[in-house]
This record gives sequence, C-alpha cells and structure tokens, in this order.
Amino acid sequence: DTAVSQTPKYLVTQMGNDKSIKCEQNLGHDTMYWYKQDSKKFLKIMFSYNNKELIINETVPNRFSPKSPDKAHLNLHINSLELGDSAVYFCASSQSERGGQVRTDTQYFGPGTRLTVL
Amino acid sequence: GIQVEQSPPDLILQEGANSTLRCNFSDSVNNLQWFHQNPWGQLINLFYIPSGTKQNGRLSATTVATERYSLLYISSSQTTDSGVYFCAVPVSGGYNKLIFGAGTRLAVHP
Repeated sequence: DTAVSQTPKYLVTQMGNDKSIKCEQNLGHDTMYWYKQDSKKFLKIMFSYNNKELIINETVPNRFSPKSPDKAHLNLHINSLELGDSAVYFCASSQSERGGQVRTDTQYFGPGTRLTVL
Repeated sequence: GIQVEQSPPDLILQEGANSTLRCNFSDSVNNLQWFHQNPWGQLINLFYIPSGTKQNGRLSATTVATERYSLLYISSSQTTDSGVYFCAVPVSGGYNKLIFGAGTRLAVHP
C-alpha cells in the first residue's frame, strides 16, 4: 500500500545515455512534483504537474523532460546524461485546491531514485 | 525569492537528550512543513504547521508566522532520530512550490 512509489530505486549509467524514472501515487492526489537532491543534501524543485498540466517548470536543462500520462503518474526522461546529473531524484504528490494555486497542501515524497552517471 | 535558514547545521546528542531545531523564513507564508530524512534517504513528513503548536509523540513543532520562524523540539532523543531535518515553505505567488532549508544534520549516539 505504498503511497508514492518510484522506479528504479538505483540507476547507474554512462555519460551520454538516455534514461527514465517513473513515479506513481495511489493517494488520489491531483498534483505531482519532481525534486532533485544534490550531494550536499540540498533539495530543489524541478517540475510540477496539476491534472496532467505542467504548472511549475524551474530553470532545468531541456535535456530533462517530464511527462504525466495521467494524474497518478509522472515520469522524468533525461537525455544525454552528464556527470552533474548524478543526484537523488524525488517524486512527490499533493492534493491542491483551485487548480493547484492554493499553497496549503501537504506534499508526500517517494523513496527517491539515486542516479549515478559514470 | 524567499530565503529559508535552518540552525544549527549539525547537532550531536547523547541518547535521551532534548534538542530544538530552528527554521527562519524571510517572507510571510501560509504553510510550513517539517521533514525527517532518515539514514536510508527516505523523506518522512513530520508536521504540516502553518501556525501554532502540534505534538506527535516525542516530537513537537511550533510556528510563529508573524515572526517568521518555526521550531522543532525533539525530546528524549533516540538513535532512530538520526538523519537530516528539513523545513520547507511555499513560494508566494501561486502553486505549491516548496523551498527547502539546507537542513539540520542530527546524530544521536547511544
């Protein structure tokens, strides 16, 4: 009965490859997020989708492309991986009000995907 | 943009000790979350506390929104409390984009 799940948990790959991370939530939430945690544990938001619509798109290289096939799933595809992409990527979800504009909803995080680029 | 500062950056305790972690934020907010990242990397929700005080077992949190700070109290600490504690607040202007503090790294020794 995992609330927010991510696959894979670990991903080791070579520079230049393309990889995807998948996220699913069974909480019935309408908003999902991708965060990146660097080696110093600093967490920063990358993207957010509300009901399959992109609502937050931070300054992220366009090699990163999120996709939300439905409101329970949010995937992250990364092209041409670079050494600096090595990090832990967290998915999160929340239930918003008024189409994602009310800043009061609690976010629940998945277990993270540790990406290592060699 | 809004700044979130946490103190202390590192904390070492003996089992059974009490501690207070602080989170200061630079702008008014209408929600604040505390998280614990355990040694296995899992981010666990502790409190959603836009204002007032909440308690959950040995942990409690207080947010004074008018003075732009929140405190997390850990009483009778246990080794399982070790990890990194983050506070996070949303950016003003819409949507729930959380800005995280740099965290307080806690080590509880037996």
